[in-house]
Amino acid sequence: DGGITQSPKYLFRKEGQNVTLSCEQNLNHDAMYWYRQDPGQGLRLIYYSQIVNDFQKGDIAEGYSVSREKKESFPLTVTSAQKNPTAFYLCASSTPTGTGELFFGEGSRLTVL
Amino acid sequence: RKEVEQDPGPFNVPEGATVAFNCTYSNSASQSFFWYRQDCRKEPKLLMSVYSSGNEDGRFTAQLNRASQYISLLIRDSKLSDSATYLCVVTGLHGYNKLIFGAGTRLAVHP
Repeated sequence: DGGITQSPKYLFRKEGQNVTLSCEQNLNHDAMYWYRQDPGQGLRLIYYSQIVNDFQKGDIAEGYSVSREKKESFPLTVTSAQKNPTAFYLCASSTPTGTGELFFGEGSRLTVL
Repeated sequence: RKEVEQDPGPFNVPEGATVAFNCTYSNSASQSFFWYRQDCRKEPKLLMSVYSSGNEDGRFTAQLNRASQYISLLIRDSKLSDSATYLCVVTGLHGYNKLIFGAGTRLAVHP
């Protein structure tokens, strides 16, 4: 089945630690995205990538980093510079023709202790 | 002002009821509009696109008013399975690369 796989689903980390969230897709989509969701707020764009080896900052990129070395993979690193990292992180992909439909992974819930 | 605003709800309705959600957006240059559905602690999924002339998909009807920068979603004959959060989504300044999500309206359908 085609889709987006995020791992881990739940993650706990101590303050000051970096953590990397995995996102893999087999939909052959060029564009991939990382969103953050907090209670009572809409999804906010962290980073997006339209093609391999290229990515752009979204609205809240500070404290995060990404890479896009392969079309299928778009990992997100939450660094210790992110002041409030506890959130639900969603990875998504879309086709280049832009129907507007985003296909989301099941999300990764990060809790900083 | 938020770019996309929605009434957070919750809307508590009995099965069979008709319920309407509204959404306003601030960017008059937005070109595309969508409703997504998100179940509790799950990922959002596209419910339907919203076209200028309005469109219907079974029990769901979406309307767009560009002059008022207003989008609506009507659900007829509500089912228990419709209980979810409904997210209003519009394109931002950079087209499809940047979808702007509203915070969502929560619907709870009870027997």
